Amino acid sequence: QLQLQQSGPGLVKPSETLSLTCTVSGGSISSSGYYWGWIRQPPGKGLEWIGSISYSGGTYYNPSLKSRVTISVDTSKNQFSLKLSSLTAADTAVYYCARPQSTDAFEAFDIWGQGTMVTVSS
Amino acid sequence: EIVMTQSPATLSVSPGERVTLSCRASQSVSSNLAWYQQKPGQAPRLLIYGASTRATGIPARFSGSGSGTEFTLTISSLQSEDFAVYYCQRYNNWPPYTFGQGSKLEIK
Repeated sequence: QLQLQQSGPGLVKPSETLSLTCTVSGGSISSSGYYWGWIRQPPGKGLEWIGSISYSGGTYYNPSLKSRVTISVDTSKNQFSLKLSSLTAADTAVYYCARPQSTDAFEAFDIWGQGTMVTVSS
Repeated sequence: EIVMTQSPATLSVSPGERVTLSCRASQSVSSNLAWYQQKPGQAPRLLIYGASTRATGIPARFSGSGSGTEFTLTISSLQSEDFAVYYCQRYNNWPPYTFGQGSKLEIK
């Protein structure tokens, strides 16, 4: 059964860059055909899609975050990663990685990581 | 950008009741609509995709309907474990994902 395991720091300073990794187990990230995603949720608020990366490395970013986001994939480690730069307090949120329920590009997410609470504070 | 609006924001209900939650899109999203359940401290759980298809392992008391701009999630008989926040999400057209603001089911 495919699982997503997130890792990364829970506290980051303002103006710095957040780096999170999502490790895929129970399946191969490169041969899967999926478009792997990152989503975030500020405390007490709703969900916001950050971006997605295809199995072949194509990237797709939320226009509102595009200038600050980089998503990459490391097939040798079966991982994909998120970098978000120039952090402010508004970036404080739980960050999730997720996999869509089919390989038809952008579909609903049926498998989620456990979430990482990231606080931006000095 | 397509805006998703959910109603009501909060609903107080008793176990056993039938519940209907609404989600409206600012323009047509065809049937590219999903529903998620989220409990405190947990990741969202996919309930419905394609507006009406239950995801794997989802009980039959959950059903979705609608197309275009108007969608509903119905829980036929509310169980204690169903008290949570429910989100609708449109997907596929650019930008590919937009979520509603959520509807919270509270115990009356």
